[in-house]
Amino acid sequence: DAGVIQSPRHEVTEMGQEVTLRCKPISGHDYLFWYRQTMMRGLELLIYFNNNVPIDDSGMPEDRFSAKMPNASFSTLKIQPSEPRDSAVYFCASRLAADTQYFGPGTRLTVL
Amino acid sequence: AQRVTQPEKLLSVFKGAPVELKCNYSYSGSPELFWYVQYSRQRLQLLLRHISRESIKGFTADLNKGETSFHLKKPFAQEEDSAMYYCALSEDKLTFGTGTQLKVEL
Repeated sequence: DAGVIQSPRHEVTEMGQEVTLRCKPISGHDYLFWYRQTMMRGLELLIYFNNNVPIDDSGMPEDRFSAKMPNASFSTLKIQPSEPRDSAVYFCASRLAADTQYFGPGTRLTVL
Repeated sequence: AQRVTQPEKLLSVFKGAPVELKCNYSYSGSPELFWYVQYSRQRLQLLLRHISRESIKGFTADLNKGETSFHLKKPFAQEEDSAMYYCALSEDKLTFGTGTQLKVEL
């Protein structure tokens, strides 16, 4: 398996633009997590899904952030409109039941 | 609520010196604890989990329920150990500590 796949790896956009980050979990995994990593706040859990259903979105910072998981092999995290303070590395991770959690390579987002 | 505390943001040691990265947790049930490592600009990788009781890359961690700790240790630090280390506690989701940057100097 190729592991958790994220795209794009780097994204530079201007304030106010819509940003969509994509994640393909490891095949067969039933949990998917979205994290944000910044120097100031460290690693924050934004939202996670179990069997494609959002379980806990309490970490989503504002209504500008939304996440979907239309099927077991794909998830998106959307920011609309984006702001400079959203600049961070966004990680996706997946897991099977209570087993080890595997992380993707991350998307480095810069909002100018 | 579960919580993980890593008191040191930065730990600097010399090559060959012992390393101890501290992690304390608060959790009412039976905890499952992990250490993840992140090398510069790379993804987080599992280093070890307490239930497996393995030694990975010379690192070990023992769960001490009395002190609610899961400190990460290595007897002799290597330059390639320089990285960010995260302690994490699992229930349905992983709760991460704020991380400790380990810097191994020559």
